[in-house]
Amino acid sequence: DVKVTQSSRYLVKRTGEKVFLECVQDMDHENMFWYRQDPGLGLRLIYFSYDVKMKEKGDIPEGYSVSREKKERFSLILESASTNQTSMYLCASPPSGGSSVEQYFGPGTRLTVT
Amino acid sequence: AQSVTQLDSHVSVSEGTPVLLRCNYSSSYSPSLFWYVQHPNKGLQLLLKYTSAATLVKGINGFEAEFKKSETSFHLTKPSAHMSDAAEYFCVVSVSGGSNYKLTFGKGTLLTVNP
Repeated sequence: DVKVTQSSRYLVKRTGEKVFLECVQDMDHENMFWYRQDPGLGLRLIYFSYDVKMKEKGDIPEGYSVSREKKERFSLILESASTNQTSMYLCASPPSGGSSVEQYFGPGTRLTVT
Repeated sequence: AQSVTQLDSHVSVSEGTPVLLRCNYSSSYSPSLFWYVQHPNKGLQLLLKYTSAATLVKGINGFEAEFKKSETSFHLTKPSAHMSDAAEYFCVVSVSGGSNYKLTFGKGTLLTVNP
């Protein structure tokens, strides 16, 4: 069974703090994704990575960065947290196989920035 | 470019009646299409997927969807709703672009099932 884990289920941070969200997958997948989910907006892609040290911007990368130093771990970084980054953050990882494969999602991290 | 439109943000049905969740897509290439479900405080789970094989796709929990290229639609149906079907449903389109690919999610449809 593929497992995608995220370091925290709930996180509360203050405005201006640097925030790290960690995602780990245990199936040697090359691709990993970070999304944010907001009511009425669905999931929006922030960044994705298709290999170690490789990253590409998604649809809403502003205010975020990522790090992929090891294949199993993909970190999302909020350089200076702001209240409009309060959201549910979801990590996902599909096996190789192109666009037809499903994504395996982590349980999500609900981040509140005060 | 690709896009997904879920035509209803909220659908309410009675237990035992049919469910129809509507999805239209736009894609320049042959897409793969998915439906995911998210129960309250749970992660996203794949319901079913279409990948250019049979146009009628059967998924888990009695759900199915039909790919209609002429109508650019991929509506999700179930003959008889159960209370446990209450959740948010997302239609997703995926298109390959070189060595990697990108998913585009619809905004979601919240399904309420009344007793």
